Amino acid sequence: AQSVTQLDSQVPVFEEAPVELRCNYSSSVSVYLFWYVQYPNQGLQLLLKYLSGSTLVKGINGFEAEFNKSQTSFHLRKPSVHISDTAEYFCAVSEGQGGKLIFGQGTELSVKP
Amino acid sequence: EAGVAQSPRYKIIEKRQSVAFWCNPISGHATLYWYQQILGQGPKLLIQFQNNGVVDDSQLPKDRFSAERLKGVDSTLKIQPAKLEDSAVYLCASSLGPGTVYEQYFGPGTRLTVT
Repeated sequence: AQSVTQLDSQVPVFEEAPVELRCNYSSSVSVYLFWYVQYPNQGLQLLLKYLSGSTLVKGINGFEAEFNKSQTSFHLRKPSVHISDTAEYFCAVSEGQGGKLIFGQGTELSVKP
Repeated sequence: EAGVAQSPRYKIIEKRQSVAFWCNPISGHATLYWYQQILGQGPKLLIQFQNNGVVDDSQLPKDRFSAERLKGVDSTLKIQPAKLEDSAVYLCASSLGPGTVYEQYFGPGTRLTVT
């Protein structure tokens, strides 16, 4: 069965510092991988996705993620964070097109001035 | 393009009462999903519709939860009777459907508090 583990529940960081949010998944077949962001009292917004091809994926708001098949990881990075990046971030996996998303438990990113 | 609409945004009920949530997906999206997000956890799929047919309802507590998508557009999720553990945010999402490189678009959610 598929599962997603986000290794950090909370990540505090100072403004303009780099950040990495870690995500590992388990699946016996090829997967599609996603990162979503959730601002307070809002729904989820897609940051980026890996479907196939280049393992380095660039998304919105300066975020990028790297798919590592051998380590079954899909870590999210940003070289310089802003106060406005404060939010909950969810990693998710799907085994097929149109299939359900399996989410990790989320990482709360808190950017401090 | 209008996004996924959900109503109400907030609902407070007592246990054993019933409640219903409504979702209007993005126009032209064939697939509709209902997720339950308990505080501190990631969303969990409750039910997936393809047009007006059910694709996956394996995680739906069918003794108290029901959902329908009449005419393959709007959807309603109902809980009857509610329990304290049903307190959560209920998210609706939609996507174009199978055969496409898809993305799920999420609505703002309905926050349910059961007292």
